[in-house]
Amino acid sequence: DTAVSQTPKYLVTQMGNDKSIKCEQNLGHDTMYWYKQDSKKFLKIMFSYNNKELIINETVPNRFSPKSPDKAHLNLHINSLELGDSAVYFCASSQGSSGAAEQFFGPGTRLTVL
Amino acid sequence: AQSVTQLDSQVPVFEEAPVELRCNYSSSVSVYLFWYVQYPNQGLQLLLKYLSGSTLVKGINGFEAEFNKSQTSFHLRKPSVHISDTAEYFCAVSDRAGGSYIPTFGRGTSLIVHP
Repeated sequence: DTAVSQTPKYLVTQMGNDKSIKCEQNLGHDTMYWYKQDSKKFLKIMFSYNNKELIINETVPNRFSPKSPDKAHLNLHINSLELGDSAVYFCASSQGSSGAAEQFFGPGTRLTVL
Repeated sequence: AQSVTQLDSQVPVFEEAPVELRCNYSSSVSVYLFWYVQYPNQGLQLLLKYLSGSTLVKGINGFEAEFNKSQTSFHLRKPSVHISDTAEYFCAVSDRAGGSYIPTFGRGTSLIVHP
């Protein structure tokens, strides 16, 4: 069984569109994350939720809005997509937000904005 | 603010040779340190982590890392690599900033194992 799953795996869209990426974890974890990995493989945290509460919100444009309907899900909605949003987006989860916990990553969603 | 430097963007090595991937960090407080591996077209997996205690940490797939506080380093080593170790390796640090632990990743080192 997949521990952290993301849909879709690939997303190709036009500039200006709005799109969502979904993430689900079946590990029973209470903390979930969104990361952006650029074309040079640089991985940067965007958001983190602990028990559905936003605890990390890095300098991300407000076109990006995370939503956590429950502890097992963390979705990412992106408005008015721009060329620079093209990247691989990874969802991850951990048990606890203390920083010591191992993070489990999903397979990634490759977003291409044309 | 914390930062992580992986000194080598690419490390080519022959199969069965030893390898060391270097990682240095900067932080003003105590940190937790991690090494993750990313195989092509996959998410990251934890190799090992240092939280406290013994400075030599053993992980999966025969990897180990040594925490050196005075040199603020956490280098990853393997005595004999396999073709299957070809992947991207990320060093990460987590420290407490403003009440939350913010994980910071290095820019990755691409390990390329040649037959």
